[in-house]
Amino acid sequence: DAGVTQSPTHLIKTRGQQVTLRCSPKSGHDTVSWYQQALGQGPQFIFQYYEEEERQRGNFPDRFSGHQFPNYSSELNVNALLLGDSALYLCASSLFRAQNQPQHFGDGTRLSIL
Amino acid sequence: AQKVTQAQTEISVVEKEDVTLDCVYETRDTTYYLFWYKQPPSGELVFLIRRNSFDEQNEISGRYSWNFQKSTSSFNFTITASQVVDSAVYFCALSEGTGANNLFFGTGTRLTVIP
Repeated sequence: DAGVTQSPTHLIKTRGQQVTLRCSPKSGHDTVSWYQQALGQGPQFIFQYYEEEERQRGNFPDRFSGHQFPNYSSELNVNALLLGDSALYLCASSLFRAQNQPQHFGDGTRLSIL
Repeated sequence: AQKVTQAQTEISVVEKEDVTLDCVYETRDTTYYLFWYKQPPSGELVFLIRRNSFDEQNEISGRYSWNFQKSTSSFNFTITASQVVDSAVYFCALSEGTGANNLFFGTGTRLTVIP
């Protein structure tokens, strides 16, 4: 039973570039959430996708966008990268509205902006 | 507004000592869920426990135990007889009863168990 998988593991970009991160949810899950974890901080919620639509969004600018595919996998896109976007980006999967069940996290993508 | 506070930034203990990690939360919802996650150096967040706001019964799982007290808005985590493998960053998180299960995390407590 595959867990949540994320790619790539590490990524280095320069300011102003664009990046796409990918996530495949745990088998049986239909919802994908993305979190940003800056160094020394707790993860912060970016947005959540279900049925290929953004359902919830945290306090992040429009430079952060996403997509969910029919197979439930998801992408996180960040445009016009800033130095402050350097962080670990975590993907979590779950069943929609199933608050009685925990979210399952991937190992994350570590994004470094030069 | 929701908030999770983990006042202990770093804790060091000697192996076999007991250690308690504190978590204080704020929410206006009457229905909510509290979680503890462990983050080893690999980065993955490992789920440890979930409690809902209507269940204040304390829980024990092996060397781990959790104390949930609504009166003080606290959800503390105790590791008994700590081991080196317990070294990690531990996060407390809150999910409110709004129909979506996004998590609000505290800033984490880095636990180092010294052999």
